[in-house]
Amino acid sequence: GAVVSQHPSWVICKSGTSVKIECRSLDFQATTMFWYRQFPKQSLMLMATSNEGSKATYEQGVEKDKFLINHASLTLSTLTVTSAHPEDSSFYICSARGPESSYNEQFFGPGTRLTVL
Amino acid sequence: GQQLNQSPQSMFIQEGEDVSMNCTSSSIFNTWLWYKQDPGEGPVLLIALYKAGELTSNGRLTAQFGITRKDSFLNISASIPSDVGIYFCAGREYGQNFVFGPGTRLSVLP
Repeated sequence: GAVVSQHPSWVICKSGTSVKIECRSLDFQATTMFWYRQFPKQSLMLMATSNEGSKATYEQGVEKDKFLINHASLTLSTLTVTSAHPEDSSFYICSARGPESSYNEQFFGPGTRLTVL
Repeated sequence: GQQLNQSPQSMFIQEGEDVSMNCTSSSIFNTWLWYKQDPGEGPVLLIALYKAGELTSNGRLTAQFGITRKDSFLNISASIPSDVGIYFCAGREYGQNFVFGPGTRLSVLP
């Protein structure tokens, strides 16, 4: 399958700082990228969907000014957690999908664990 | 919004046993995907299904696209300790985003 990378794999930051997480599709063009959040022992929670060159579409309850998403190219999307607080600590996972076709598959990155002190 | 149901929510089995889990939708889907997530990692795609009735295997894993197109099944034969994890199903209608199930948590007892 296709490869999606995330960087960093883990990050610890102080409350009030901003953290940027990168998501890259390494061997395919990701026309659509997704950002998920996952709490321990819980399911994937979709935060937002972004199409290359367009503004992200945020799910209900997700603050777009808090979680800034940029999908500037077909291989890179970034999630910036602004003014992070301890309640933002979570496992963030990106996912990517290629151009629309009958055989679309969605591939996930390895995740980024964010801990806000 | 669209939701998928996965059953069972969790299961504990003995090593060597076979495992069956399923996923149901209120809508008709064109594609079903099955993923496995190990602790602290992102989900990994196991099997993709594109046609109603399709039966696809990946090693000890076999998945089926239900003929009603509203369900899918995943079977694991002769389970081993490394099968432990969360199994997610995902489905979509053409042109739409994938919808994910809540996951089935599998524990394998030695």
